Amino acid sequence: KAGVTQTPRYLIKTRGQQVTLSCSPISGHRSVSWYQQTPGQGLQFLFEYFSETQRNKGNFPGRFSGRQFSNSRSEMNVSTLELGDSALYLCASGEGGASTDTQYFGPGTRLTVL
Amino acid sequence: AQSVTQPDIHITVSEGASLELRCNYSYGATPYLFWYVQSPGQGLQLLLKYFSGDTLVQGIKGFEAEFKRSQSSFNLRKPSVHWSDAAEYFCAVGTSGNTGKLIFGQGTTLQVKP
Repeated sequence: KAGVTQTPRYLIKTRGQQVTLSCSPISGHRSVSWYQQTPGQGLQFLFEYFSETQRNKGNFPGRFSGRQFSNSRSEMNVSTLELGDSALYLCASGEGGASTDTQYFGPGTRLTVL
Repeated sequence: AQSVTQPDIHITVSEGASLELRCNYSYGATPYLFWYVQSPGQGLQLLLKYFSGDTLVQGIKGFEAEFKRSQSSFNLRKPSVHWSDAAEYFCAVGTSGNTGKLIFGQGTTLQVKP
């Protein structure tokens, strides 16, 4: 099976712009989670989607949003970008979204905000 | 609230030497514990996981980890380190309920000396 894919791999944006990141989970997986990784804060959970419904949300401002489509692909959107949004955004997919499921991570999207 | 602490930010070992990376967790019930590895520019790869049963867990690439409830620890070990093991290692705890959300430690960067 193909792994988790994320597009684009790299993005450069300026403050105030918005950005959309895409994640395609492993075929058959119904759960998609998003994480933000920065040198200062480490890996922080953004949100989780399961069967097109947001099941869990981390402690991020409303500028961060996401959705999941019927084919389990997911997008996350960040509006009004700030310099502090520069990070590696990782997507993970799981079979059923249970706590015991292995989460498989994609290579990430590196976002740079200038 | 659940939390994970990796006390060592950076560790350097010689190739062929043994390795132990420390992880302490805070969780009320039996935790679901994971170790992931991240190579530069890559996503996270699962090394091993613990849910229940035998407290010594074997993983990929010759890694193992031991769950010690009395010490709230889940330390990762490898008897003989290879130069290719140089990477960042993350310990994570799965949260309760029907969710794939993970809480990560800050990570330990492993450097391998020739």
